[in-house]
Amino acid sequence: AQSVSQHNHHVILSEAASLELGCNYSYGGTVNLFWYVQYPGQHLQLLLKYFSGDPLVKGIKGFEAEFIKSKFSFNLRKPSVQWSDTAEYFCAADTGNQFYFGTGTSLTVIP
Amino acid sequence: NAGVTQTPKFQVLKTGQSMTLQCAQDMNHEYMSWYRQDPGMGLRLIHYSVGAGITDQGEVPNGYNVSRSTTEDFPLRLLSAAPSQTSVYFCASSYRDTYGYTFGSGTRLTVV
Repeated sequence: AQSVSQHNHHVILSEAASLELGCNYSYGGTVNLFWYVQYPGQHLQLLLKYFSGDPLVKGIKGFEAEFIKSKFSFNLRKPSVQWSDTAEYFCAADTGNQFYFGTGTSLTVIP
Repeated sequence: NAGVTQTPKFQVLKTGQSMTLQCAQDMNHEYMSWYRQDPGMGLRLIHYSVGAGITDQGEVPNGYNVSRSTTEDFPLRLLSAAPSQTSVYFCASSYRDTYGYTFGSGTRLTVV
């Protein structure tokens, strides 16, 4: 069955550490990929998206993600996290017929 | 399989028609939410509920009504459909607002 997997459920980092959150999808056709963020008490916001072209996409707040088709992955990265990055992060895939969301990764950044 | 079930998956409405998007979860989650996703705008919160009998407005509530008579169900009603309501709608649920959300697969709505 098609799905999106986020294997890191909880991540705790110190400020200035580098971040990489894993996302894998299982779908053999063309897929659009997204990362969303939900800060405490707020609704989800779009961080970045990949439709086609350059597989390295840059989003807001210094985040980037790399689409690796051969690995069915779309990992989220940030070189140096800040305390304000503490949030829940969701990966999502749009196959054109259906959206699939991962279950989310909770990131806690310690000052 | 446990999860969030949304129906229908696709819908086309004429301007002025009303309809209800259904959302049901079987995980005994307290929190349920409705979002709409529009190109370039990400997900925006329409309405949410923190438990049976309790609902509140989100960021974009106009033109929508909700009710939460049971823990399991959280239907979204469009009162008089407008082309501006063409979007993809997601229902989501969570045990609490600090836990991870489980999303439904979405409803693609087109209003002509």
